Amino acid sequence: ETGVTQSPTHLIKTRGQQVTLRCSSQSGHNTVSWYQQALGQGPQFIFQYYREEENGRGNFPPRFSGLQFPNYSSELNVNALELDDSALYLCASTSRRFEDSTDTQYFGPGTRLTVL
Amino acid sequence: AQKVTQAQTEISVVEKEDVTLDCVYETRDTTYYLFWYKQPPSGELVFLIRRNSFDEQNEISGRYSWNFQKSTSSFNFTITASQVVDSAVYFCALSEASTGNQFYFGTGTSLTVIP
Repeated sequence: ETGVTQSPTHLIKTRGQQVTLRCSSQSGHNTVSWYQQALGQGPQFIFQYYREEENGRGNFPPRFSGLQFPNYSSELNVNALELDDSALYLCASTSRRFEDSTDTQYFGPGTRLTVL
Repeated sequence: AQKVTQAQTEISVVEKEDVTLDCVYETRDTTYYLFWYKQPPSGELVFLIRRNSFDEQNEISGRYSWNFQKSTSSFNFTITASQVVDSAVYFCALSEASTGNQFYFGTGTSLTVIP
């Protein structure tokens, strides 16, 4: 186990609703990344938070937003849900030593979101 | 353009056979990092290995081995004497120094080991 936890495990929402997913990073890790994994696909980078600020973003619309808290835990918020948002959402944490360093990311078990 | 290509969508082998999972990457950075992750049915991505672009030495860890060849932009993963517990989806990923915070994943290779 990586020590990265996510909640909830599963979630069912309807189109147009809003959702908040949560992630607790591994102890000592200061950076959290979020990924969306559609069925049968590889994870796609949504964004990363470092020192409570967004530090890089993939090709996702503004209705995907996030927060990082002083204890390094994080939230992913998705507004105006669409059917295509149905996916496994993965959180990954890492201990970044320098602002531009690349360190191994350790993943949580994910939250399975279904949008009806 | 896809930065990481895993051309093998599904592979089935009989237990104890060796199997190689292919990964081809594309980058213009001279400093980059390559990773392999395993995703069992539970969904959690399990880290297997990290390699930086300056270290082409092949690595062996138990039944696992990795062959990194910059000349062909490949980072292949071999499982020797496969076991049923190796059944999972395997992902290759790339991280570039210029965009260090972003991992680019391939589409994965689903490996089934038949007892």
